[in-house]
Amino acid sequence: DADVTQTPRNRITKTGKRIMLECSQTKGHDRMYWYRQDPGLGLRLIYYSFDVKDINKGEISDGYSVSRQAQAKFSLSLESAIPNQTALYFCATSDRELAAYNEQFFGPGTRLTVL
Amino acid sequence: AQSVAQPEDQVNVAEGNPLTVKCTYSVSGNPYLFWYVQYPNRGLQFLLKYITGDNLVKGSYGFEAEFNKSQTSFHLKKPSALVSDSALYFCAVRPLNTGFQKLVFGTGTRLLVSP
Repeated sequence: DADVTQTPRNRITKTGKRIMLECSQTKGHDRMYWYRQDPGLGLRLIYYSFDVKDINKGEISDGYSVSRQAQAKFSLSLESAIPNQTALYFCATSDRELAAYNEQFFGPGTRLTVL
Repeated sequence: AQSVAQPEDQVNVAEGNPLTVKCTYSVSGNPYLFWYVQYPNRGLQFLLKYITGDNLVKGSYGFEAEFNKSQTSFHLKKPSALVSDSALYFCAVRPLNTGFQKLVFGTGTRLLVSP
């Protein structure tokens, strides 16, 4: 979905390096999410944010941090990358209105490889 | 604990034949249910959702899904498959009794439609 963009699309890095993945959206949504996708495991939630001042840990937040720089931007950082963080990372957004009913809109993903 | 099961890693079907991708869930109370599709090198795209009302839900690209409360299932169906339907399909559930109403995803089912 072109309304949600992620950079970079692919990244190869080494163990111990700091990595930042960026997400921007033009949908005007308040809520943003970071997931990781691993084969056979589906998507797992890392962090989510309801607005700029409301950031929450998901089910697998260890080793990750996030920053909500603006309503439209939500960045995911790996402070010291390790090989088991090799995965496909997705950013998603959703509308606050009737939030429980609403689907999420996903970016194209960032494929991260940690050597 | 809430969970979603997609019992088939892969479903193979010939073009023109009907297809079914299975999903069962385990949550407390009534859930909101979603199907997403992931095409190669793309993010997840919303297909359809069940919130309340008619158990048969129609969505994008000719897909539909049937909510069955007694069997706790939400199988995705299409009367006539297309080669372009080949993709990875995810079922997701949003339990109503969680303050955040997060999405819980299944592990995904790869659909392969042969010409």
